[in-house]
Amino acid sequence: EVHLAESGGGLVQPGGSLRLSCAASGFTFSTYWMSWVRQAPGKGPEWVANIKEDGSEIHYVDSVKGRFTISRDNAKNSLYLQMNSLRVEDTAVYYCLGSGSCSDWGQGTLVTVSP
Amino acid sequence: QAVVTQEPSLTVSPGGTVTLTCGSSTGAVTSGHYPYWFQQKPGQAPRTLIYDITNKHSWTPARFSGSLLGGKAALTLSGAQSEDEADYYCHLVYSGVVVFGGGTKLTVL
Repeated sequence: EVHLAESGGGLVQPGGSLRLSCAASGFTFSTYWMSWVRQAPGKGPEWVANIKEDGSEIHYVDSVKGRFTISRDNAKNSLYLQMNSLRVEDTAVYYCLGSGSCSDWGQGTLVTVSP
Repeated sequence: QAVVTQEPSLTVSPGGTVTLTCGSSTGAVTSGHYPYWFQQKPGQAPRTLIYDITNKHSWTPARFSGSLLGGKAALTLSGAQSEDEADYYCHLVYSGVVVFGGGTKLTVL
């Protein structure tokens, strides 16, 4: 069974940084694209970034380009999101999401950016 | 950036059939957009129902099915039940970039 567990969220001031982690289990992590998706309070999901199986291809939503960095460690079955220069509008629950037959969601981690 | 469109709201009677659609501002939705469908109930994380147009997860009720219909991705619910009342989101992939639709609020009434 696919299991994804996000961690690393918290309260941070504008301009600050956070590093999110997602621990994956129950599937062959290294053979699936992985994504980060966020959901602001009362809004629909917004895709943030994704990364190919071997890390050779990465894409970001325009609003986070140059500020966020997605990465993965296949040896540790882990996905990461380094978030710098955080803005109030980055406040959301952040989820990691698998792909294809392993497209399950974690429970998310809350990131609050507030003065 | 492409815009993905969904019906803001739909209502279905218990036992009835309803089709939700997912369109693209760039033209017809194709298999190359790898359409996914998600269900989200209040206070819960989303759950993936359908991936790559038609594929279901083990937890996807048989009454849900995915297809391409009239240039859009479609999610059909046949035999609606009260527990299907939820928000439904689709997403499409554009050369690696993923765009979510705004969601459809489905009411079973």
